[in-house]
Amino acid sequence: QSALTQPPSASGSPGQSVTISCTGTSSDVGAYNYVSWYQQHPGKAPKLIIYAVNKRPSGVPDRFSGSKSGNAASLTVSGLQAEDEGAYYCSSYAGSSGGVIFGGGTKLTVL
Amino acid sequence: QLQLQESGPGLVKPSETLSLTCTVSGGSIRDKGYYWAWIRQPPGKGLEWIGSIYYKGDSYNGDTYYDPSYRSRVTMSLDTSKNQFSLRLTSVAAADTAVYYCARRVIAATELDYWGQGTLVTVSS
Repeated sequence: QSALTQPPSASGSPGQSVTISCTGTSSDVGAYNYVSWYQQHPGKAPKLIIYAVNKRPSGVPDRFSGSKSGNAASLTVSGLQAEDEGAYYCSSYAGSSGGVIFGGGTKLTVL
Repeated sequence: QLQLQESGPGLVKPSETLSLTCTVSGGSIRDKGYYWAWIRQPPGKGLEWIGSIYYKGDSYNGDTYYDPSYRSRVTMSLDTSKNQFSLRLTSVAAADTAVYYCARRVIAATELDYWGQGTLVTVSS
């Protein structure tokens, strides 16, 4: 299983929107609506912000949204705030072996 | 509120076995809606899935699902009496140096909804 492909970096100014892509294959992202996104601040554990492609856990602002088309998923952060700066990882269910596959991560900088 | 806490040695010698335990509080590892998972993150790098274990009943060892990269070296287990689950990784090398996280994985949509704080394990002589 190869890692999902994410851009290494993304940036935007406060108030702007930024979209992070996550590209997989027809065996993972394209096959299941089980894409999740995690936010990680330095020295901290990852935090779930999107699951099942576009669902937000309780307490996650609606500035965060997810979508999927074919073998690619996306995370959009609207109304960027300074606290959104950090690393973002996508993940997908990878089939009957029960596996999970992660993207390489995208470092988001708020300018 | 569910909490997970990793524990174990912070330093392991090359070729030896890494052993970590995750203690779960505020919930039960017997809950059949969830897997219990291990993920690691080498310094400065991304997340790596190691595997997960599922409670099937007291007469079973638990169903395990390991990433192919670790399958020959990894063992996961449950201790329902202590509400803990464990990771063993044999024949470690410097490349196994990482922060190791335990987490709860939802069966329905496979997301990892609760994470431990992580523990750094360094492989060095």
